[in-house]
Formats: sequence, C-alpha cells, structure tokens
Amino acid sequence: GAVVSQHPSRVICKSGTSVKIECRSLDFQATTMFWYRQFPKQSLMLMATSNEGSKATYEQGVEKDKFLINHASLTLSTLTVTSAHPEDSSFYICSAPPTNYGYTFGSGTRLTVV
Amino acid sequence: GIQVEQSPPDLILQEGANSTLRCNFSDSVNNLQWFHQNPWGQLINLFYIPSGTKQNGRLSATTVATERYSLLYISSSQTTDSGVYFCAVRVKSGYALNFGKGTSLLVTP
Repeated sequence: GAVVSQHPSRVICKSGTSVKIECRSLDFQATTMFWYRQFPKQSLMLMATSNEGSKATYEQGVEKDKFLINHASLTLSTLTVTSAHPEDSSFYICSAPPTNYGYTFGSGTRLTVV
Repeated sequence: GIQVEQSPPDLILQEGANSTLRCNFSDSVNNLQWFHQNPWGQLINLFYIPSGTKQNGRLSATTVATERYSLLYISSSQTTDSGVYFCAVRVKSGYALNFGKGTSLLVTP
C-alpha cells in the first residue's frame, strides 16, 4: 500500500521551455504532497508543499513563478518548471505525508536542461 | 529549523564488514526517520525511530532522544547496501522532512 507514482523519470529539455512533472498517489488519497529538489551529491531540500483545493506553500527562496505547483485532485500533484535554465537541472522528488506505511516517495525525476 | 548533521559523509567498506552511521540533531524531535537512497535515486524507508531501538534484518537503529542523536548499524554489509543513507526529522510546522546531508556508502566485493 501507499504507492506514489512519479513521471517522467528522466527528461532533457531545451533552455527556455517548460517541463511538467506528475506525482500520483495510486492507492490512497493525498490532500498534501511535498516537493523536494536534490542537486548532485547533496541532500534533499524541501521546495514547496501542494495542497488540494488551495494554493501551494513555498519555502523561502523558491520562486513561485518558476516552479508552478498544482494539486488538481486528491490523487494528483504536479510541478511545472517554467522557462527552464541549466541551473534548474536537478533531481526532483515528491513525497506524500506519512501513512501507516511511513513516508512514501516518488521515484524521482532527473531534469537536465541544455 | 532543526539542524541535522550526519557522519561520516563517506564510507567505503568491504563486503561483510559492519558499520555505524551517526545522526545528530539540534533540538528535541518527536519524529526521526532513516532512509536509504539507492543509486537510481529511489528513497526507501528504513526506520521510523523517535526513540529506542529497532531491528530489521541486518539493519538496526537506536535513537537517544535526550542526547539528540541516532545511530544506524549495518552488519555483514553487502554490495546492495551501497547508496546514500539519510537521517531526517519532521519540521515542527507540519509533516515535511528536514534531511541531513547523508552518508554515502560504497560496499566493495
């Protein structure tokens, strides 16, 4: 139980384009989803929290207009990196709040902007 | 926020060896987790251990909450244990996690 499906797993895009990353809770409903970013050989840093039915909450220093987060339903949260640039290249990973099975993470998306 | 420090940052072991990873945290916590991130990036829950000791196969963990540290023990290490081990605590305002910088473990044959 408590599976989070994240797509795509890997994406390469051109500078200036936008990329959408999806996280779906497959066998449970999630009113909240956490989005983390991980640069190579670094730790995971919380970027924002999506909330079903209300605006996302962003951590300090994270650009709201660049990283658009939407929680469209109780099973789907999306992160859109708009006008991506090489410095946005990173590993993005989502997580649902803990269930009886603990924290469940998506498998991550490795974004490369060229 | 709560500071989470892990040591050592890097560790190389020969298969079969034992190891201890440490996590120090700067304030009292009621939620501490250990995760393993495999080479493909997938994060796997190892332990939820705000206090006390737990064991799961070759892995065990101990948290001494009053002294603000937790230890992860890996016994008889295998090459599949390679990856990064993270300690994380829940932020005070909600359920998001604050991660340490991790210990990168390489187990060689």
